[in-house]
Amino acid sequence: EADIYQTPRYLVIGTGKKITLECSQTMGHDKMYWYQQDPGMELHLIHYSYGVNSTEKGDLSSESTVSRIRTEHFPLTLESARPSHTSQYLCASSDHGQVTEAFFGQGTRLTVV
Amino acid sequence: QKEVEQNSGPLSVPEGAIASLNCTYSDRGSQSFFWYRQYSGKSPELIMSIYSNGDKEDGRFTAQLNKASQYVSLLIRDSQPSDSATYLCAVKAPGNQFYFGTGTSLTVIP
Repeated sequence: EADIYQTPRYLVIGTGKKITLECSQTMGHDKMYWYQQDPGMELHLIHYSYGVNSTEKGDLSSESTVSRIRTEHFPLTLESARPSHTSQYLCASSDHGQVTEAFFGQGTRLTVV
Repeated sequence: QKEVEQNSGPLSVPEGAIASLNCTYSDRGSQSFFWYRQYSGKSPELIMSIYSNGDKEDGRFTAQLNKASQYVSLLIRDSQPSDSATYLCAVKAPGNQFYFGTGTSLTVIP
């Protein structure tokens, strides 16, 4: 079944650790996005990619980095986690074309202690 | 000015009533408009998309688009307690970038 997957679903990690949040989609979509969302707050775009080897920063300044080596995979890395990184991270993908919607993964809830 | 503006609410309606959610956008070149529903702690899920002026109905949901006024709305008829969630308006800009509103919190009171 075509879908978009995020792992882990929940992560509690200590300050200073390096973490990678995984996102994979099986829909063959060119475009992938990472959003950050605090509870009850709006979505903030932090990174996006329009294809392999294409990555761009979003509207919200972020200390994270991303890579897009394969179409289906768009991991997000924090080199040194801090408590201010505590949030929900949502990955999404969409097909090319103006009328196609974004599909979201289940999200990763990150807590940095 | 934000790309997409929504009334954050909260909006409360009694069960069985019509809930009306509104959204305005700033980029006149936008072609695609979406409504997502997000339950607390969950990810957004698409409930409606609309591309042409007028109304689009799907079950209890009706999306309305007025490009001249840069206005999108969502009507939920016969509201149910399970409709209680945050509703996000999203606009796809000409560069294929999605812009999301801040969301309207809806509570349906049994």
